[in-house]
Amino acid sequence: AQSVTQLGSHVSVSEGALVLLRCNYSSSVPPYLFWYVQYPNQGLQLLLKYTSAATLVKGINGFEAEFKKSETSFHLTKPSAHMSDAAEYFCAVSVPTGGFKTIFGAGTRLFVKA
Amino acid sequence: GAGVSQTPSNKVTEKGKYVELRCDPISGHTALYWYRQSLGQGPEFLIYFQGTGAADDSGLPNDRFFAVRPEGSVSTLKIQRTERGDSAVYLCASSLGGASGHNEQFFGPGTRLTVL
Repeated sequence: AQSVTQLGSHVSVSEGALVLLRCNYSSSVPPYLFWYVQYPNQGLQLLLKYTSAATLVKGINGFEAEFKKSETSFHLTKPSAHMSDAAEYFCAVSVPTGGFKTIFGAGTRLFVKA
Repeated sequence: GAGVSQTPSNKVTEKGKYVELRCDPISGHTALYWYRQSLGQGPEFLIYFQGTGAADDSGLPNDRFFAVRPEGSVSTLKIQRTERGDSAVYLCASSLGGASGHNEQFFGPGTRLTVL
């Protein structure tokens, strides 16, 4: 069965610093991978997704993620953090067999310090 | 509407009562999903509809939970004999669906259910 592990429930960075949010997945078949963001009092919003095309995926707001099959990872990065990036980030996996339920990680809350 | 809407936004009920949570998906989206999000956790899959039928209901925790989507649009999640452990935010999402697992899901704001 597929699963997602997000390392670090909280990450704090200074404004302008690199953002790195870690995600490892487990799947017996090639997965579809997603990063969603949840701003306070708002619904989840898709940041980016991997669907077996390019391994480096670019998303909205300057975020990108790289699919590394050998490491079963899909870490999210952004070169320079903005205050507005403070939110909860969820990594998710969807396996394209049978049903298409999506399994989410527990989330990582990003804090950005001025 | 422009996005997925859910009503009510908040629901407080007493243990043992019955509740219904409603989801209005984006017009034209054939796939609809229900998730449950407990404090400090990611969304937990409950059920997925493709059109009117439940394509995957393996996430429903027990037979107290039931969901319908009779006309392939609006969906209602029904919880019988509520328990305190059912307290959570219930999220609905919709997507263009079809035989693909990579379609973007658009999420509603959720219904916060509190069982006293």
